[in-house]
Amino acid sequence: AQKVTQAQTEISVVEKEDVTLDCVYETRDTTYYLFWYKQPPSGELVFLIRRNSFDEQNEISGRYSWNFQKSTSSFNFTITASQVVDSAVYFCALSGYNFNKFYFGSGTKLNVKP
Amino acid sequence: DVKVTQSSRYLVKRTGEKVFLECVQDMDHENMFWYRQDPGLGLRLIYFSYDVKMKEKGDIPEGYSVSREKKERFSLILESASTNQTSMYLCASSSGTIYEQFFGPGTRLTVL
Repeated sequence: AQKVTQAQTEISVVEKEDVTLDCVYETRDTTYYLFWYKQPPSGELVFLIRRNSFDEQNEISGRYSWNFQKSTSSFNFTITASQVVDSAVYFCALSGYNFNKFYFGSGTKLNVKP
Repeated sequence: DVKVTQSSRYLVKRTGEKVFLECVQDMDHENMFWYRQDPGLGLRLIYFSYDVKMKEKGDIPEGYSVSREKKERFSLILESASTNQTSMYLCASSSGTIYEQFFGPGTRLTVL
């Protein structure tokens, strides 16, 4: 069965703090893809990153970084020096070899206070 | 830029009404999806379509149907709306060769 768990329902931080959003997944596929999306208050989900199961290299994009560890089935997302504009709901998602079907976690709401 | 548009941002309907939610994408994507989003449950797949006139049930298809007569348009139909279908509905599309899904702005449907 495919499943994504985001145990953190809501996180509040003060601007400039670092914050890590956790994502744990379950799958029996050997080929799969992991994603992070951001949903700002406007409602539209914005794609942030895609990772395939054969690429465990960590990735950094500006203040964002992702840590993919197959050994713990985790794909965590860190925001460094958070800003108020980072306030949003963040979703982790998994798709299998048949990438038509995505499995989303329940989302983590991040509140960044000035 | 990929553009996915949905016909309404907000919709209020009465129990028993037939409701149509329209979604249009402008990037010639093969795949289109309908999700509903509820607090604490994330996004749940209702139906998806991988080609014109093709459709497959997602995880929660009960009470919904879909139509895809043209590649760019994917409609979600609530045959007889009920209060438990009050939710945010999100449409998405993706290409067979580009894996991420692109989302529309969502339709917040309230059924009274």
